[in-house]
Amino acid sequence: GAGVSQTPSNKVTEKGKYVELRCDPISGHTALYWYRQSLGQGPEFLIYFQGTGAADDSGLPNDRFFAVRPEGSVSTLKIQRTERGDSAVYLCASSTTNTGELFFGEGSRLTVL
Amino acid sequence: AQSVTQLGSHVSVSEGALVLLRCNYSSSVPPYLFWYVQYPNQGLQLLLKYTTGATLVKGINGFEAEFKKSETSFHLTKPSAHMSDAAEYFCAVTPGSLGGGGNKLTFGTGTQLKVEL
Repeated sequence: GAGVSQTPSNKVTEKGKYVELRCDPISGHTALYWYRQSLGQGPEFLIYFQGTGAADDSGLPNDRFFAVRPEGSVSTLKIQRTERGDSAVYLCASSTTNTGELFFGEGSRLTVL
Repeated sequence: AQSVTQLGSHVSVSEGALVLLRCNYSSSVPPYLFWYVQYPNQGLQLLLKYTTGATLVKGINGFEAEFKKSETSFHLTKPSAHMSDAAEYFCAVTPGSLGGGGNKLTFGTGTQLKVEL
């Protein structure tokens, strides 16, 4: 389809393991965002890419979290040494404007046991 | 800095009744305001937005919201609820153009709307 695609849709892992979550934005969208939605909460900003570079990573909770977008299209969110508190739905969005209109994927639900 | 408060995590209305979902915001600069909707098993999608100009904004599916600066509110309404409106609704804010604009949205905690026959 033409929307934002996220894989996997569900990921169950054990505490301490490494996880990668992938986002494929809408073709032509240069801006890409990662948000995290914990149970009962609204989405919280993690990181924003404009092209290949991270323009704002102020929302990453700590240095276990890292994201890349090497060719300016697909992005991967990487979480090292996962903790139970990392369990959440990780949302990716892309955009062509700077006025708040984001196109979201369906999210990747991460469960850390 | 911005923040959003959504009063009522769950709202239930009868089909055909008025829908009113409340949102109050705090912003150090004139804000841009948004309502996003999340239908079951779907991604968030933009319902409507206020940036500048007319304070009453209309969105998809008959929803509208009014920006009231004096009340720091951006409540969402729909005159007549339909079963298909059942979803979770999120209010969000970002700095307006005077604050640099941008898509770094601050979301509220969401309101789950239930529509009953």
